[in-house]
Amino acid sequence: DSGVTQTPKHLITATGQRVTLRCSPRSGDLSVYWYQQSLDQGLQFLIQYYNGEERAKGNILERFSAQQFPDLHSELNLSSLELGDSALYFCASSRDGGGRNTIYFGEGSWLTVV
Amino acid sequence: GNSVTQMEGPVTLSEEAFLTINCTYTATGYPSLFWYVQYPGEGLQLLLKATKADDKGSNKGFEATYRKETTSFHLEKGSVQVSDSAVYFCALSPSENQGGKLIFGQGTELSVKP
Repeated sequence: DSGVTQTPKHLITATGQRVTLRCSPRSGDLSVYWYQQSLDQGLQFLIQYYNGEERAKGNILERFSAQQFPDLHSELNLSSLELGDSALYFCASSRDGGGRNTIYFGEGSWLTVV
Repeated sequence: GNSVTQMEGPVTLSEEAFLTINCTYTATGYPSLFWYVQYPGEGLQLLLKATKADDKGSNKGFEATYRKETTSFHLEKGSVQVSDSAVYFCALSPSENQGGKLIFGQGTELSVKP
């Protein structure tokens, strides 16, 4: 158990819909990361927050947005969903935002768009 | 830019065989290097890491040495077990001033037969 909690574990929704994925980081971790894992793209970094502020942005679509709240939990919002958005979405956390820290991953949220 | 290249899988070995999974990277500055493992149906777990040149990371019989001269971080294990069957990801975290995000290779699937 990494200490990173993600909900829901599985989600099936229709095209055009909007979903929210939730993440609680490990106790004491200030940085949260979101990754997308799909068969064709592999593991892609989406976005990083550090203590409530956006720290780094990766290959995140404009239809997707994220935020980190004062209690440090984070949400990833996916809107106008397309079939190609079906993937495993990982949240991860680390003690701070620097490169030497170990990043711990949650078990992921499986999103299926039908 | 920063990138990681792993040997293509799947790799199929018999129990007690020697394992090498090659990983090379491209990065500016001095990245940290990681190996993560994903068992079937599970999230990513940190296997080992190295934060500077010539460091050797080790865990559960696996080891990898950070070779800056060859920009490599090959994963090795002397005697694999069936329980090592999983997908292995090599990753780098760019230098401190680029945030803590991880950049992953495409993953190498390992299958160990009894």
